[in-house]
Amino acid sequence: GAGVSQTPSNKVTEKGKYVELRCDPISGHTALYWYRQSLGQGPEFLIYFQGTGAADDSGLPNDRFFAVRPEGSVSTLKIQRTERGDSAVYLCASSLNRGHIYNEQFFGPGTRLTVL
Amino acid sequence: TQLLEQSPQFLSIQEGENLTVYCNSSSVFSSLQWYRQEPGEGPVLLVTVVTGGEVKKLKRLTFQFGDARKDSSLHITAAQPGDTGLYLCAGSGGGADGLTFGKGTHLIIQP
Repeated sequence: GAGVSQTPSNKVTEKGKYVELRCDPISGHTALYWYRQSLGQGPEFLIYFQGTGAADDSGLPNDRFFAVRPEGSVSTLKIQRTERGDSAVYLCASSLNRGHIYNEQFFGPGTRLTVL
Repeated sequence: TQLLEQSPQFLSIQEGENLTVYCNSSSVFSSLQWYRQEPGEGPVLLVTVVTGGEVKKLKRLTFQFGDARKDSSLHITAAQPGDTGLYLCAGSGGGADGLTFGKGTHLIIQP
């Protein structure tokens, strides 16, 4: 596909369960970002990958959150022992990251996570 | 911590009117981006500004970056119902780091 894709589009789970959210970036984009958007708020940065490695994970709220990008393309955001406060839209973005200042990021449609 | 404040938070106007929304910070950004987001979708990039004082136009939308690169404005001329959406500004500290977003301006253009 031409854009960033995310699956599933919606995920409903029970408190305490484990969930995985997937992001497929734009082909050729080396940088990949995860954001969380709560109702009525702007997106909040979680983690950023450059290739396979996490370049900045300072936005992850706690150790229940983890993300991987093993082959430098698709990424998975993993949340353990989900809590009701984790309910939000999880957005993925990718960027060419050619090292200049524009830092233009292109977003997927998001995964809406609901923790009951 | 870099913060971006957007105002107004909500704006509802009639078709054909002009409007301006603001994005302010006490921090300097290397670049600032404006996005538009519709319900159930991800933000869509409208423009990136990088030079203090820079003005960019996208049809009826005019974006300006403040001289000190701490603030920005978005002006819409002759608003149309299709302009309805959540407008988000986002700042970058440089390089490829994560963006800092404002809370957004919810804009409704009534026919």
